Amino acid sequence: QKEVEQNSGPLSVPEGAIASLNCTYSDRVSQSFFWYRQYSGKSPELIMSIYSNGDKEDGRFTAQLNKASQYVSLLIRDSQPSDSATYLCAVPPVYAGGTSYGKLTFGQGTILTVHP
Amino acid sequence: DTAVSQTPKYLVTQMGNDKSIKCEQNLGHDTMYWYKQDSKKFLKIMFSYNNKELIINETVPNRFSPKSPDKAHLNLHINSLELGDSAVYFCASSHRNTYEQFFGPGTRLTVL
Repeated sequence: QKEVEQNSGPLSVPEGAIASLNCTYSDRVSQSFFWYRQYSGKSPELIMSIYSNGDKEDGRFTAQLNKASQYVSLLIRDSQPSDSATYLCAVPPVYAGGTSYGKLTFGQGTILTVHP
Repeated sequence: DTAVSQTPKYLVTQMGNDKSIKCEQNLGHDTMYWYKQDSKKFLKIMFSYNNKELIINETVPNRFSPKSPDKAHLNLHINSLELGDSAVYFCASSHRNTYEQFFGPGTRLTVL
């Protein structure tokens, strides 16, 4: 099983709809989770982080974490064509007794297309 | 104004050549990273330096040699380039042990 898994898509939603992006991870003791957005031909940028079970909202974006089921999701409300991008889920590996030194394991990314 | 910069942006070269990519950040971060993103967009860490010290060294062929002359610069030298090295290489930086990483624009390497 891959450490971090995402459905590569593409996921296509109409403008104004809710886009739901999912990510599962294999390490039960993972503590922090990140969503990066990458526009075509550009570099990834951090858009959300979540550390505890439940929902975290930031504008039109909501991250949801369920540690028991080992999944984290990203909801985008009122999707806009400018949201069309690849969304990367990232999880730091957990090392016994130590830090991961900023290391992130990325999923393969979900391509989102929002059509007018 | 550029936070994390890389040069060159594009690199096209023949198999067997040696090439270098340079990275600089002006964010005051003390940790820098090299990532490789393949044609399927899979982003994988290669190396990380903290204050010029190598702290992450993933399973990468020893043809790849990173070098950090100071905490604002991280270079990547690749010897004997192979077709499979074709990818986009991203440099990133962050504060120590944090996960908000700022990425450079990437260097698209094509090996012919």
